Amino acid sequence: SQKIEQNSEALNIQEGKTATLTCNYTNYSPAYLQWYRQDPGRGPVFLLLIRENEKEKRKERLKVTFDTTLKQSLFHITASQPADSATYLCASGRGGATNKLIFGTGTLLAVQP
Amino acid sequence: DVKVTQSSRYLVKRTGEKVFLECVQDMDHENMFWYRQDPGLGLRLIYFSYDVKMKEKGDIPEGYSVSREKKERFSLILESASTNQTSMYLCATGDSPTDTQYFGPGTRLTVL
Repeated sequence: SQKIEQNSEALNIQEGKTATLTCNYTNYSPAYLQWYRQDPGRGPVFLLLIRENEKEKRKERLKVTFDTTLKQSLFHITASQPADSATYLCASGRGGATNKLIFGTGTLLAVQP
Repeated sequence: DVKVTQSSRYLVKRTGEKVFLECVQDMDHENMFWYRQDPGLGLRLIYFSYDVKMKEKGDIPEGYSVSREKKERFSLILESASTNQTSMYLCATGDSPTDTQYFGPGTRLTVL
């Protein structure tokens, strides 16, 4: 079955460093991947979308890559700040005519001051 | 900005009660979704709707039903609440063609 996998272990980094989160997909080829941020007790918030024909996308301190050979997306936050601490979810379309997304379980990022 | 609101942030109900969770959006999106989120399990799709009065089962529809009488409103119904339905419930709308989803703040439901 179609699957999105994210590292379930928390990522702890020092303020100012670059955080890199990984998203792997199996058993299908998504047309795009999306990244969301979720704070405790809140709904996810959309951050970025990258299509399969795009290698890289940037938005301020955020960068996303899409490697169709490795079946992987990397999500980078440069010059990380404690305010970036949150859970980051990766998602992709399920394909076909459906508008549904498959979500990964998310990776918790903790940026230490 | 897309606004998605949910009727309650916190709700406590007793086993066997009928529970209504309401979601309202103001962006005229066709698609609306109900998820539940549990630690370690991520977001699991319960039901979704792609038009008024249209609905489709998600991955875990058992014990739930939905209603979409108006485009802006999508309700989740727990016919007879059980303790294993204690969870965070999230409503979302979907924006075609990218399928980007916009989430409400969530309802933390506790069934005693």
